[in-house]
Amino acid sequence: AQTVTQSQPEMSVQEAETVTLSCTYDTSENNYYLFWYKQPPSRQMILVIRQEAYKQQNATENRFSVNFQKAAKSFSLKISDSQLGDTAMYFCAFVTIQGAQKLVFGQGTRLTINP
Amino acid sequence: DAGVIQSPRHEVTEMGQEVTLRCKLISGHNSLFWYRQTMMRGLELLIYFNNNVPIDDSGMPEDRFSAKMPNASFSTLKIQPSEPRDSAVYFCASRLGGNKEAFFGQGTRLTVV
Repeated sequence: AQTVTQSQPEMSVQEAETVTLSCTYDTSENNYYLFWYKQPPSRQMILVIRQEAYKQQNATENRFSVNFQKAAKSFSLKISDSQLGDTAMYFCAFVTIQGAQKLVFGQGTRLTINP
Repeated sequence: DAGVIQSPRHEVTEMGQEVTLRCKLISGHNSLFWYRQTMMRGLELLIYFNNNVPIDDSGMPEDRFSAKMPNASFSTLKIQPSEPRDSAVYFCASRLGGNKEAFFGQGTRLTVV
């Protein structure tokens, strides 16, 4: 079974700082996708960034970037120049390309950006 | 496109009553997920449909829970009878294809008293 682990239940940083959220996953598959979702207090789940396992280049979306280490099964999210609006729960998620193709989530990290 | 639409946004019901949560998929999407979110358990996958067929319902807590897709664009999640421990936020999400990101509705906050 595929599992996703986020080892940091909560994090807090000052505005404009850089913060990195950790995620590890477990799978025997070779081809899959990884995602980071953001859930602000409004409770809407918003896709932040996506990474295809077959791509070696790390994905980047403006201030958000990932460090994808396939051999280590690690997928961390880096937020640069953090802003107050980045305060939210962040979920790491995983889906295989073959087989069941379930979208499985980690437990989430609550990130607070302080002014 | 209006996105994934869930109704109602909030539901308060008494223990023992039947509750039906509704979800309209994004047009053209062919996969649907129902998730339950609580503080204790986080985001749990309840059931997953692909092309209207339930693929994996191993996350459905017990027989009190049932989910259907009467057509390609609509799904219901029913709890009968409801219990206080069912109180949670229930999300549905849809996607196109087997490996792309899922788009979420705004969730239904269910409170069973």
